[in-house]
Amino acid sequence: ILNVEQSPQSLHVQEGDSTNFTCSFPSSNFYALHWYRWETAKSPEALFVMTLNGDEKKKGRISATLNTKEGYSYLYIKGSQPEDSATYLCASPPPINAGGTSYGKLTFGQGTILTVHP
Amino acid sequence: DAGITQSPRHKVTETGTPVTLRCHQTENHRYMYWYRQDPGHGLRLIHYSYGVKDTDKGEVSDGYSVSRSKTEDFLLTLESATSSQTSVYFCAISERGGYNEQFFGPGTRLTVL
Repeated sequence: ILNVEQSPQSLHVQEGDSTNFTCSFPSSNFYALHWYRWETAKSPEALFVMTLNGDEKKKGRISATLNTKEGYSYLYIKGSQPEDSATYLCASPPPINAGGTSYGKLTFGQGTILTVHP
Repeated sequence: DAGITQSPRHKVTETGTPVTLRCHQTENHRYMYWYRQDPGHGLRLIHYSYGVKDTDKGEVSDGYSVSRSKTEDFLLTLESATSSQTSVYFCAISERGGYNEQFFGPGTRLTVL
């Protein structure tokens, strides 16, 4: 089982604040890092799939960066709104050389719970 | 929205009874997954399928079995339900495994009394 860790576990911010959180993953033989947003009582929804070192992706006020050499990714939210309140999950598949039948599996971190107060 | 449905959406059952959950997709994606949601653990993989009749265990597979006889359907069976299997179960699909995002179904809330 991969060691995918997220920090902090939870975060409370005021509306309008910008915030960021971290996902760390094994850097050896890396090939992809996923970010998902999971609102309470709903299903997780994909935000980004990142594959290249130095990659930066953006979706509205949310962006993510990737450092595959040191094994971390940051998710940034600019000007947080109450509707951004959710759990943000990152996930990583096994190393590219894992072989066997494990190729499609994802290991999820425990998530960062973001609460944006009006 | 990706075409994924789960049935039933809610189920209450008693300890020791068999339970089967169904995931159905209309996207023709190769990969299908069953996860359970547990407080403090996030999403944990139970089983996954990388093709028709091709399945593999996840990190919490004990007490669960799966079958995939056609591309669109992935069944999760609890042979003899226990209270520790009370959870919300999510099905997900992916076109190219780890390279592509996963699309999640609406979830099934299972309560084992």
